[in-house]
Amino acid sequence: EDQVTQSPEALRLQEGESSSLNCSYTVSGLRGLFWYRQDPGKGPEFLFTLYSAGEEKEKERLKATLTKKESFLHITAPKPEDSATYLCAVKSGGGADGLTFGKGTHLIIQP
Amino acid sequence: GAVVSQHPSWVICKSGTSVKIECRSLDFQATTMFWYRQFPKQSLMLMATSNEGSKATYEQGVEKDKFLINHASLTLSTLTVTSAHPEDSSFYICSARPRGLYEQYFGPGTRLTVT
Repeated sequence: EDQVTQSPEALRLQEGESSSLNCSYTVSGLRGLFWYRQDPGKGPEFLFTLYSAGEEKEKERLKATLTKKESFLHITAPKPEDSATYLCAVKSGGGADGLTFGKGTHLIIQP
Repeated sequence: GAVVSQHPSWVICKSGTSVKIECRSLDFQATTMFWYRQFPKQSLMLMATSNEGSKATYEQGVEKDKFLINHASLTLSTLTVTSAHPEDSSFYICSARPRGLYEQYFGPGTRLTVT
């Protein structure tokens, strides 16, 4: 059974204080690992897809990396508008069509 | 690109009535669409997967007769909550997966309140 564990559950940072969010996964035949951002009362917003270990992707202050066991979402010099819940999900090579989601990291950036 | 819409964004209905929620992929064709439910401060719970032109596949514990899903075309899926009860009140979110890709693009969600 595919499993995704995100840590920490919640993280409070000062504006400009860089940090990383972790996503550990156990999956049978990884087809892709996905990062989403979700604001309160809204649907998740797609950020990145990573397909293989060693891959990295960047978007503004966010950088996602992937190893064979985990992924990190690095946030550099965050701003208050980066406050959100960040979700990690995996797609396995099994028969299921859907993604397996972690419980998310609730990130708060204080001015 | 990859925009998904949902309608309505919120709805209040009386217990015992039915409510239909629409999910549309606006700028791509979605061979597969998904319906999720989310409770406050919790992650997404997959309810069902639907492929265009075929019956939906429901997750364990989801009543197929209560949550009717129709994937009528490559851009439209609907979720009908039949005989709604207060415990069905929740945030319902759909997603769509473009042909050939694994990532899903989510709609903005529908807040359902059953009184």
